[in-house]
Amino acid sequence: QITLKESGPTLVKPTQTLTLTCTFSGFSLSTTAVGVDWIRQPPGKALEWLALIYWDDDKRYSPSLKTRLTITKDTSKNQVVLTMTNVDPADTATYYCAHSPDGDSVVYWGLGTLVTVSS
Amino acid sequence: QLALTQSPSASASLGASIKLTCTLSSGHSRYAITWHQRRPGKGPRYLMKLNNDGSHIKGDGIPDRFSGSSSGAERYLTISGLQSEDEGDYFCQTWGAGVHLFGTGTKVTVL
Repeated sequence: QITLKESGPTLVKPTQTLTLTCTFSGFSLSTTAVGVDWIRQPPGKALEWLALIYWDDDKRYSPSLKTRLTITKDTSKNQVVLTMTNVDPADTATYYCAHSPDGDSVVYWGLGTLVTVSS
Repeated sequence: QLALTQSPSASASLGASIKLTCTLSSGHSRYAITWHQRRPGKGPRYLMKLNNDGSHIKGDGIPDRFSGSSSGAERYLTISGLQSEDEGDYFCQTWGAGVHLFGTGTKVTVL
């Protein structure tokens, strides 16, 4: 059974750095082709794809957020970490991690974690 | 540029059928997509992967009343025998040029 769980702060102040951790089970990020995504959904808005890390450590980012995001993985711990710098109230959202078994199709989702950016 | 377009809302009566559309941008009509459901208060759920030829692979436990089809650049999700639990937001997702992308979502209301 594949599960993913997001963890991190629920409240962050503007200009701070947000660090979110995705802890997963049921698959290995060393398996060829697989990937883990970070996706967010601001209140009342659509899903927004943020970043993706592949099994071979290839990393992809949303063009609009590329300068603020860093995605890393720790295969031994089954974790993927997303860092977002210089947060703003517009970054308030539920943040999800998700698993792409073929590196393309998002198939498995975490439950999400709500992050509020406010002073 | 790769993009996905969805109507903001759709509604149908309990027990009826509803057909949602996800349209791929010009030049990307052969791309596959995935469909996802997000019910109120719950996390997203993968429904299916839908190819340009209409073939689709559904997720585990997805009821038979959910089906997919394709025509040109349009990808469809049909829900037959609509139930109250089908209310929620439906998103399509695709990938290309090293990025993943989501549509704007369609809010489904069961009347």
